[in-house]
Amino acid sequence: DQQVKQNSPSLSVQEGRISILNCDYTNSMFDYFLWYKKYPAEGPTFLISISSIKDKNEDGRFTVFLNKSAKHLSLHIVPSQPGDSAVYFCAASGYTGTASKLTFGTGTRLQVTL
Amino acid sequence: NAGVTQTPKFQVLKTGQSMTLQCAQDMNHEYMSWYRQDPGMGLRLIHYSVGAGITDQGEVPNGYNVSRSTTEDFPLRLLSAAPSQTSVYFCASSPPGRTEAFFGQGTRLTVV
Repeated sequence: DQQVKQNSPSLSVQEGRISILNCDYTNSMFDYFLWYKKYPAEGPTFLISISSIKDKNEDGRFTVFLNKSAKHLSLHIVPSQPGDSAVYFCAASGYTGTASKLTFGTGTRLQVTL
Repeated sequence: NAGVTQTPKFQVLKTGQSMTLQCAQDMNHEYMSWYRQDPGMGLRLIHYSVGAGITDQGEVPNGYNVSRSTTEDFPLRLLSAAPSQTSVYFCASSPPGRTEAFFGQGTRLTVV
């Protein structure tokens, strides 16, 4: 039972245009959402996050939007750059006791073309 | 600034062999966890720890053991390797109250 879903395995965008990566979740107990970026042969690196009490968070070229009623979040990258080519994972966290554990989506491979 | 260090980077095991994947962090983080990444599956939580002496199971714990005797180290043990454990393993750490985990570079394990 996939609680965090990324339905697009891949996305190709031209340099300078906007990249929009989507993520859906099913568990209403999730209260914190994150995006990670992963290059081949490297570990995931944290990109941006959003708390469930917000609907938008910006950090430079990256903006995450959260629609709680639709259980949907998206990552916008604008303008897209060739160095953004990577696999992007959406992750969710729900605090259980003293631990916070991440549930990941299956990832979307973004290719930014020249 | 080492962060999270995993060793080895690559390993090939025969079915039934045992081994330990090492993970060390130098950020004094209390929380540490192990994930595995498989094609089409994303990252799945194996075991996690909220501090020295405290561990708990994640989503896919079967076939793996962990212990946490120090804040810095969180080894993952495979007692009897199976081909289904062929995967890329990531160790992560995070400070308490924060959800932004920091990941190591991963260990690619092949069980033949």
